Amino acid sequence: DQQVKQNSPSLSVQEGRISILNCDYTNSMFDYFLWYKKYPAEGPTFLISISSIKDKNEDGRFTVFLNKSAKHLSLHIVPSQPGDSAVYFCAATSPGAGSYQLTFGKGTKLSVIP
Amino acid sequence: ETGVTQTPRHLVMGMTNKKSLKCEQHLGHNAMYWYKQSAKKPLELMFVYNFKEQTENNSVPSRFSPECPNSSHLFLHLHTLQPEDSALYLCASSQEQTQGRNIQYFGAGTRLSVL
Repeated sequence: DQQVKQNSPSLSVQEGRISILNCDYTNSMFDYFLWYKKYPAEGPTFLISISSIKDKNEDGRFTVFLNKSAKHLSLHIVPSQPGDSAVYFCAATSPGAGSYQLTFGKGTKLSVIP
Repeated sequence: ETGVTQTPRHLVMGMTNKKSLKCEQHLGHNAMYWYKQSAKKPLELMFVYNFKEQTENNSVPSRFSPECPNSSHLFLHLHTLQPEDSALYLCASSQEQTQGRNIQYFGAGTRLSVL
């Protein structure tokens, strides 16, 4: 059973608008969450992370929100740019596993339309 | 350039072949990982090496054999693979820290096709 779920395989957004990518998790032991971005023919690149002691982390145009009670996190990209078009993976880890066990979602393909 | 280099980028092999995937990291990290990404599936962790010692083996079939001669190099030896092993194989590395969480840095991957 998938412990990290990205239920939207794809998302299209107009350039300049907000992109919201969602992620749900089932394992209540997860306490650290990461977003990775992947372009075709490249490996995933770390984007932003959040610890469970926070509910928001911001880095430039990227903000991650965490709702622990709902076991839900989201990545907001504002404003969206064509270069943001990529597959975005949500990942989570728990204290016992340290950083070794990153559990990934299936990814959401974001297309930003110029 | 992420500092993690994988070769070859593409590999086609028959089921009776033996081949090896190579990964090299230039980041001074002490942990390295092999992941498998199949179509429409999440990334699956296969092996973890920490300070050259294997610490995780997520029930991977023995036809996949990892080797970590030093903290900068990681190999995945392949033999008698099956067509369902066709996938993107990703290598990653990270630096173990006493506080906070490690970020894993990925290579570009090897696209493997088993005929």
